[in-house]
Amino acid sequence: EAGVVQSPRYKIIEKKQPVAFWCNPISGHNTLYWYLQNLGQGPELLIRYENEEAVDDSQLPKDRFSAERLKGVDSTLKIQPAELGDSAVYLCASSQGSRTGELFFGEGSRLTVL
Amino acid sequence: KQEVTQIPAALSVPEGENLVLNCSFTDSAIYNLQWFRQDPGKGLTSLLLIQSSQREQTSGRLNASLDKSSGRSTLYIAASQPGDSATYLCAVTGFNKFYFGSGTKLNVKP
Repeated sequence: EAGVVQSPRYKIIEKKQPVAFWCNPISGHNTLYWYLQNLGQGPELLIRYENEEAVDDSQLPKDRFSAERLKGVDSTLKIQPAELGDSAVYLCASSQGSRTGELFFGEGSRLTVL
Repeated sequence: KQEVTQIPAALSVPEGENLVLNCSFTDSAIYNLQWFRQDPGKGLTSLLLIQSSQREQTSGRLNASLDKSSGRSTLYIAASQPGDSATYLCAVTGFNKFYFGSGTKLNVKP
């Protein structure tokens, strides 16, 4: 069974440029999460989807970040324009349920903003 | 708000030692607790999931326990190996949210 797939694995951009990350969750997982992880810290939730609906985006900086999950499967996270402080690892995860489901992560997308 | 703490932040042990990693949480109203392993530059790999009605789970050399009333979980690693070197994170599930600790960075010396 394929795990959570993310791309790109690494991205280096200059500040003010746009960037997008893509995630394909485990087949059958209706809940999808985007997390941000800074060095030495645990993941912090950006947005959670139940199927195609964003049910928790309270921590998403909506002035520059956006996300979508068309057809309730793949998801894209976009940053426009990127700032120096956005340098971090962006992790996608999925589960079969948001309450009791086991959480599975992708390899992450490491963003460096110069 | 749920707070999850992992102590120590780093741990270095010689190969072969049995060791315990600790995770504590402030709100006992959880659905489950999950332990993860993270290698440098990689995502998180699920190790063990303990449902709130369970007391422990075992997988190979790993054993995780859960005491909801005291807000604690421990991950026991038997006969540690250099390949166990990684950061170990715990996460508790509250109402539709996962709360993560900052992890314990483990170094097992040959």
